[in-house]
Amino acid sequence: GNSVTQMEGPVTLSEEAFLTINCTYTATGYPSLFWYVQYPGEGLQLLLKATKADDKGSNKGFEATYRKETTSFHLEKGSVQVSDSAVYFCALFLSRGQGGSEKLVFGKGTKLTVNP
Amino acid sequence: NAGVMQNPRHLVRRRGQEARLRCSPMKGHSHVYWYRQLPEEGLKFMVYLQKENIIDESGMPKERFSAEFPKEGPSILRIQQVVRGDSAAYFCASSPQAVTYEQYFGPGTRLTVT
Repeated sequence: GNSVTQMEGPVTLSEEAFLTINCTYTATGYPSLFWYVQYPGEGLQLLLKATKADDKGSNKGFEATYRKETTSFHLEKGSVQVSDSAVYFCALFLSRGQGGSEKLVFGKGTKLTVNP
Repeated sequence: NAGVMQNPRHLVRRRGQEARLRCSPMKGHSHVYWYRQLPEEGLKFMVYLQKENIIDESGMPKERFSAEFPKEGPSILRIQQVVRGDSAAYFCASSPQAVTYEQYFGPGTRLTVT
């Protein structure tokens, strides 16, 4: 089946540190890949996406590159801020035309805390 | 353009009662998805609806849970005879017809069963 595995948290960093959150996937076709962010008490916000191999998604200083050969979509940021503290979810999407069912499949989430 | 709206934001029910969760999609969006987030877990797909149609309910428990998206009004997720294990955050997302992978999430309804 289709699944997403992301690194277990929690992750605690100091401000301005480098961030990597690993994400790998298993899929029957060629999925679109996403990172969502959830701030405390809120819903999920789309952070970035990539729809085909070698695409790089980027937003707010975060980046992730769709690596088909390693089935990965690792999230990176060069210098984190306290305001980046949140839970980050990696997800994949396969349309019916790709053998999926139009739904997002999520990893379990990685909680990031950034200290001043 | 208002985002996806969900109400109530918090809902407390006693065991055996019914819970009704509402979701109004973004303007112009005709597809609605419901996801459930259990504590310390990611989101799990429950059901995918278009206006007046259930497209995929493969993630819905077979009993006590139902969903609808009528021609007029919000989408409703109904849980009958709630049990403690139903306590979770329920999120609704909507997407435009042509781009179903672009799903926009509401703030969620946090259901607590006492």
